[in-house]
Amino acid sequence: AQRVTQPEKLLSVFKGAPVELKCNYSYSGSPELFWYVQYSRQRLQLLLRHISRESIKGFTADLNKGETSFHLKKPFAQEEDSAMYYCALSSLGSARQLTFGSGTQLTVLP
Amino acid sequence: DGGITQSPKYLFRKEGQNVTLSCEQNLNHDAMYWYRQDPGQGLRLIYYSQIVNDFQKGDIAEGYSVSREKKESFPLTVTSAQKNPTAFYLCASSRGGEAKNIQYFGAGTRLSVL
Repeated sequence: AQRVTQPEKLLSVFKGAPVELKCNYSYSGSPELFWYVQYSRQRLQLLLRHISRESIKGFTADLNKGETSFHLKKPFAQEEDSAMYYCALSSLGSARQLTFGSGTQLTVLP
Repeated sequence: DGGITQSPKYLFRKEGQNVTLSCEQNLNHDAMYWYRQDPGQGLRLIYYSQIVNDFQKGDIAEGYSVSREKKESFPLTVTSAQKNPTAFYLCASSRGGEAKNIQYFGAGTRLSVL
């Protein structure tokens, strides 16, 4: 069975500080990993996916198959980054849909 | 603010009552999904449909039913068999195929039991 673990329910950092939201997964096949974000009073939306290898809003995430992790990082947090972040996993080539983690609420303090 | 429309925003259910949550999309997406969101548990998949007239159970389908008679509509019925229906329900859609995991979400329906 596939599982996604986000160990931190709440995370607070100061503006300008680096931020890392942790995500670990368990899956024996070839996973596809995502980060979804929900800003206050907005809908849940895709932030980035590992196969795109792109930086969105200054965030990056690297898939580490050895450590089965997909941590989300940003070198300098901004107040507008405050949101709920969900890590999600899907198996490549399968009809199986996304499995979400329990989410991390990030608060960036002024 | 188009894309995916969920209604109503708030819904109350009495004991023994079935209630139906509406989800409509105008994105021409093939696939649609229903998730349940509980505090501290993230999103859990209830049902999904990859094509019209076809749907599959997710992880927590017991006590729920769906239909997919039209491409743009995927209503969810919470039956009386669902003993703990109080939750926030999210509907999503995607293009399907290799893009199935780029999902677009509605604003949600909050269901409470009277």
